[in-house]
Amino acid sequence: NAGVTQTPKFQVLKTGQSMTLQCAQDMNHEYMSWYRQDPGMGLRLIHYSVGAGITDQGEVPNGYNVSRSTTEDFPLRLLSAAPSQTSVYFCASSPTGTSGRGGYEQYFGPGTRLTVT
Amino acid sequence: GQSLEQPSEVTAVEGAIVQINCTYQTSGFYGLSWYQQHDGGAPTFLSYNALDGLEETGRFSSFLSRSDSYGYLLLQELQMKDSASYFCAPYSGYALNFGKGTSLLVTP
Repeated sequence: NAGVTQTPKFQVLKTGQSMTLQCAQDMNHEYMSWYRQDPGMGLRLIHYSVGAGITDQGEVPNGYNVSRSTTEDFPLRLLSAAPSQTSVYFCASSPTGTSGRGGYEQYFGPGTRLTVT
Repeated sequence: GQSLEQPSEVTAVEGAIVQINCTYQTSGFYGLSWYQQHDGGAPTFLSYNALDGLEETGRFSSFLSRSDSYGYLLLQELQMKDSASYFCAPYSGYALNFGKGTSLLVTP
C-alpha cells in the first residue's frame, strides 16, 4: 500500500493564480481531510469528508474548495491564491472506528509546501 | 468555546521518563488523540483514548480523565529519536482539534 499520497511536493504560485493539490489514498478509508500548518502552529482543519459525495467545512475553509467524487481521491482547490495561503498542506485519511465514526486515527500524506508570492 | 493547553517545550535526558500534559475545553467531546511530528515530516498517530484510564503502547502510554478534561502522554526510556513535536487533539466525533503542540528535546 502506498498509503496517502500528495502531489506536488513543492509549489510556487503568484497571487491570483489557481491550482489543485492532489490527494489519494489506497486504504479504502471513508474519512479524508485537509489541514494547513504554519510555522510554530498546530494543524488547522480546512475541509473534511466522511465519504464519497459528502464534504464539510473545517476551521479555515475560506479560499479553498473540495470535492469527493471517489473514495480514493480528495483534491483541494485554491481559487485565487493569496500570500496568506503560504503554508504546508497535509491531507489525511482515517478508517471508520468501532463507533461508526472516523477521524480520530488519521494517516497523513507527506505534505505539499506551497509558497504564494 | 474551545481551548487547548499543552506546554510549548519540554527537555529531558535520554533514558528518562517524560509526561506531556494536555487540558482541553471542547464541545461534543468523544475522545483524545495524540500525534507525533518530526521536523519537516508529517504527523503520525500515536494513540486514542475514548474512555478514562491508561492506554499503553510499547514505550508510550496515554491517559484520559474526562471529568477533569485532562490527559497526558507518557514517554518512557526516552531515545534521541523521540525528539519531536507532540500534539494532543480532542476528537469531536467528526474532526480533530490540534493545538500548537509540545516540542520535546531529548538530550544525551
